[in-house]
Amino acid sequence: GAVVSQHPSRVICKSGTSVKIECRSLDFQATTMFWYRQFPKQSLMLMATSNEGSKATYEQGVEKDKFLINHASLTLSTLTVTSAHPEDSSFYICSASPLTEQYFGPGTRLTVT
Amino acid sequence: AQKVTQAQTEISVVEKEDVTLDCVYETRDTTYYLFWYKQPPSGELVFLIRRNSFDEQNEISGRYSWNFQKSTSSFNFTITASQVVDSAVYFCALSEGLFSGGYNKLIFGAGTRLAVHP
Repeated sequence: GAVVSQHPSRVICKSGTSVKIECRSLDFQATTMFWYRQFPKQSLMLMATSNEGSKATYEQGVEKDKFLINHASLTLSTLTVTSAHPEDSSFYICSASPLTEQYFGPGTRLTVT
Repeated sequence: AQKVTQAQTEISVVEKEDVTLDCVYETRDTTYYLFWYKQPPSGELVFLIRRNSFDEQNEISGRYSWNFQKSTSSFNFTITASQVVDSAVYFCALSEGLFSGGYNKLIFGAGTRLAVHP
């Protein structure tokens, strides 16, 4: 089956710093990638949708200047959390979609101290 | 607007019991997809099933079965003879139609935490 990787799997950073999370489709090309956020004991909430070569579409309430998404190639999307704060601590999950399926990465657990 | 409701927050059963997880959805589209995912403590989502709106046939896969009823907008999931390894959070999700040739974003329910005790 198709594999999506995320790097890093866990990251701890200090408040005010920026963190970049990578999402890669390893054996297929993803025209669309999605970024979800999951707070402890809560559901997954879509943050943004990105299509290769174009600007990401952010969900209502998600600050696009804080969560920078780049989908520079058909196999890589990155999410940068800028000036991270403790309230940004969460589990970030990406999914990659070729034309007919959607595959999830293993997630990245971000802790901001 | 699309919405997925999983009314059961937590369910606790003893091994070998059957358990049904409820999922009710709302959508205005006639073409949509329904999903179930399992999320074990590791956090990684495990895909269980996808069903499109035109296929109301129930499905069975080993100890898992799904009952899709458009008349009640429900897509319930039953685990037969539950096992400790079934302990996880289970999410029902909805996707409306196709977007640029692929699946649209997924709207997840709140999830049901299943605990199976020996």
